[in-house]
Amino acid sequence: EPEVTQTPSHQVTQMGQEVILRCVPISNHLYFYWYRQILGQKVEFLVSFYNNEISEKSEIFDDQFSVERPDGSNFTLKIRSTKLEDSAMYFCASGTSGTGEQYFGPGTRLTVT
Amino acid sequence: QKEVEQNSGPLSVPEGAIASLNCTYSDRGSQSFFWYRQYSGKSPELIMFIYSNGDKEDGRFTAQLNKASQYVSLLIRDSQPSDSATYLCAVTDSGGYQKVTFGIGTKLQVIP
Repeated sequence: EPEVTQTPSHQVTQMGQEVILRCVPISNHLYFYWYRQILGQKVEFLVSFYNNEISEKSEIFDDQFSVERPDGSNFTLKIRSTKLEDSAMYFCASGTSGTGEQYFGPGTRLTVT
Repeated sequence: QKEVEQNSGPLSVPEGAIASLNCTYSDRGSQSFFWYRQYSGKSPELIMFIYSNGDKEDGRFTAQLNKASQYVSLLIRDSQPSDSATYLCAVTDSGGYQKVTFGIGTKLQVIP
């Protein structure tokens, strides 16, 4: 069964450094998403991406964040200058339809020290 | 601020019983409703989605939607210990289907 994959599984970085989190969505999916989940808290929407552009973003997704689909398979989330409060699990998701059904990857745990 | 409310639990049910999980949402224009299961330390797994008022059944799971009351529920019949997990309710925003708001999740414990 096809699945979303994410790398790395765990990333440790120092405050102020840039990180890039990578995702390979399911191959026939057209809608791509990033979420984060701080330990013990809700899953929070960051951004959705369709047809090579951002379709929705949350107030969390400020100028420090960017997304890119550099080729036909990868979908990346970049955080330019990490803060301690960016420490969280980051999930990538993808879907076939515009009705919101999404399938999640295993996540990348980001630790900012 | 659009909200999705769930009782965080834990909800404890004996093996074989029906588990009933509830969710309310604040955005009256929401169109799509989802239930995800999340095991500890793992990612959310989509188990049910529903778009229309009424019931939708899939195996041991039944999702119920009442848009007038802004209420979604999930019933799990014949609960098994492997069903022990946190169940997340998720709702799309009325402005489009691409932004999804999650509830905190209800932790379900199925007691053997």
